[in-house]
Amino acid sequence: DAKTTQPTSMDCAEGRAANLPCNHSTISGNEYVYWYRQIHSQGPQYIIHGLKNNETNEMASLIITEDRKSSTLILPHATLRDTAVYYCIVRALNNDMRFGAGTRLTVKP
Amino acid sequence: EPEVTQTPSHQVTQMGQEVILRCVPISNHLYFYWYRQILGQKVEFLVSFYNNEISEKSEIFDDQFSVERPDGSNFTLKIRSTKLEDSAMYFCASSQTGTGEDTQYFGPGTRLTVL
Repeated sequence: DAKTTQPTSMDCAEGRAANLPCNHSTISGNEYVYWYRQIHSQGPQYIIHGLKNNETNEMASLIITEDRKSSTLILPHATLRDTAVYYCIVRALNNDMRFGAGTRLTVKP
Repeated sequence: EPEVTQTPSHQVTQMGQEVILRCVPISNHLYFYWYRQILGQKVEFLVSFYNNEISEKSEIFDDQFSVERPDGSNFTLKIRSTKLEDSAMYFCASSQTGTGEDTQYFGPGTRLTVL
C-alpha cells in the first residue's frame, strides 16, 4: 500500500497557486518524495522529486518539512491544463513505485 | 526530449488469446518497468527488469505474464491467455540507474480490451 496520504480532491482558480499537500509520516531517511500527475488516462508525468531540501523546476516547487513527514507541491500559476490527478509517492530503496489514489486537482476559470 | 513509446495504443483481443505489448524505452536507460491501471483504479506496479532479468515483481505478475527484451531497443510484456480482468491501461516506464533518486519516465500506455 502507498505510504502517503493526500486529499481526494482540490479546486484551484486559474492563475492562482495550487498547493497540494501530502503526508508521509513513516518515511525513512533515505527515501525520496516523488510527484507525478496523470491527465485523463495518459501515462503518469514526472513533475519533481526531493529528499530533504526544497526543490524547484520549471513545472513546480516542492516544499518538504524539516521532519520530512509531509510535503507540499506548489504549481505557482495554475492553468486549465494543470487539471489532473496528482500523485505523491515515497520511493523505496528497491526502486519500487507504489501509487495511491492521488489528489484530483480541478483548475477552474 | 527523449520519450518512452508504446505500441499499439489500443489492443482488442478475445479471452484466452495471447497478446504482446511493446515498448521502446529511452535509449540510454537500463531499467524497465511495466505498470497497469484498471479503469477508475490506481496505477499498479507489475514488474521491473534489468540486465535481462526480472528484478522485482508484484503479486499481480503471475505465470500468465512474461517480459522480454528481444533486441537492443524493445521491451515487451506478454500475456499468455488473456482474461476479462486483464482489461486495463498498461504503462511502460524506464529509468537510468534504478536507484531511489532515479526518475522513471512513463510511456503513453496501451489500452488492452479483452472481450
